Formats: sequence, C-alpha cells, structure tokens
Amino acid sequence: KQEVTQIPAALSVPEGENLVLNCSFTDSAIYNLQWFRQDPGKGLTSLLLIQSSQREQTSGRLNASLDKSSGRSTLYIAASQPGDSATYLCAVSGNQFYFGTGTSLTVIP
Amino acid sequence: GAVVSQHPSRVICKSGTSVKIECRSLDFQATTMFWYRQFPKQSLMLMATSNEGSKATYEQGVEKDKFLINHASLTLSTLTVTSAHPEDSSFYICSAPRSRGADTQYFGPGTRLTVL
Repeated sequence: KQEVTQIPAALSVPEGENLVLNCSFTDSAIYNLQWFRQDPGKGLTSLLLIQSSQREQTSGRLNASLDKSSGRSTLYIAASQPGDSATYLCAVSGNQFYFGTGTSLTVIP
Repeated sequence: GAVVSQHPSRVICKSGTSVKIECRSLDFQATTMFWYRQFPKQSLMLMATSNEGSKATYEQGVEKDKFLINHASLTLSTLTVTSAHPEDSSFYICSAPRSRGADTQYFGPGTRLTVL
C-alpha cells in the first residue's frame, strides 16, 4: 500500500525566505504527483502537477521536482510571502489518490 | 482505517444515463464536503463545495445543473452526473474536514467514471 509522508509537519519562516517542503512515497509506480494548497475549511487548490515521466514543474515562485526512483518530491517556494501561509499537501496518483499529511506553513511578516 | 468512503469505486455507464456517487463520513459529522475531479493527465480540481442543508457552491466552469450535489445529512453527500457523456469520464473524489474550519481533511478513495 502506498504511503505518502511529508516533512516537516509544520514550518515557520520570516517573510522573504526561500523554503523547501518535502514529500516522500513508498511505491514508485505512480501516474503523477501533485502539490496542493489548503486553506482552513476550504477545498484544495492545485499548485503543480508533475507527470511520472517529468522531473520538475514551475509556476511563478513555485518549483516542484520529482525523483520517482527514490520516491521523493520537493516543493520549492521562493521569496515567501505572508499570503503563502497555508497547509501544503502532496498527493500521488496510482489506481487511487494517496495524500500526504501536509506541511503547515506560516510566513511571518 | 478510512474515515471517508465513496461508492461506487468504479462505474461504467452508457452515454445519456445519470450516475450517482456517494461520499460518506464514517465516524464524524461533516457539515461541508468537497468534490473534485481529475481528467487524465490533468490536476485534481475542485468542482464544488457541498454544504449540509443548503445549496452547494460550484467553482467557475462547473455546470450546477449537470453535476447535482445533495448534502442531506451530516454524513452523506451525493454527486449525480446527469446525462453523462464520454467527456465526463474522470476520477471523482470527495473530501471532508474533520470539523468546521479544520486544517485536517480526509479524502475518499475516489470513483472512476467511464462513460461509453
């Protein structure tokens, strides 16, 4: 059974810092990996999608990488802003979705 | 164990028929549930927010008359795809926050819909 782990569980940084969120998964047989943002009480917002054949995707200040063989993905956020404060989830897609437990990010003004 | 279930896990139907997908919270009450869909090779996207006892809130571009959402109880939300067409073939997944405004959400295992 696929297991998805996110480290750290919580992270607090001052505004302007670059940061990295980590996601690891146990079964490399995946179709794709996605990163989501979750605000309290709200639905998920898709940030980046990496197909299994891809190594990375970029959108604005966000960059996500995928190393399928080692079962790892990272989400890099450049020049963090207070508005980036949220919980970030990664999910891998095989026959079904497997979500990580999330990293709660707080960016301090 | 799973705290959010979906039924069915897979469904194949003919074009023009309607399909109902159930999302249940198993050991907690969910006043809000979220419905998502993922087309092949695309991101999982939020479709709508299901609110117990009131109308669902749909995301832009999602037809509310085609995707009927009913959240009649605190443990059950249903998504009905009416007059399904092949382009509706997708993976549908629901989620529910543990409590109102909670950070923690639980996700159902998803329903794969194939419309022939």
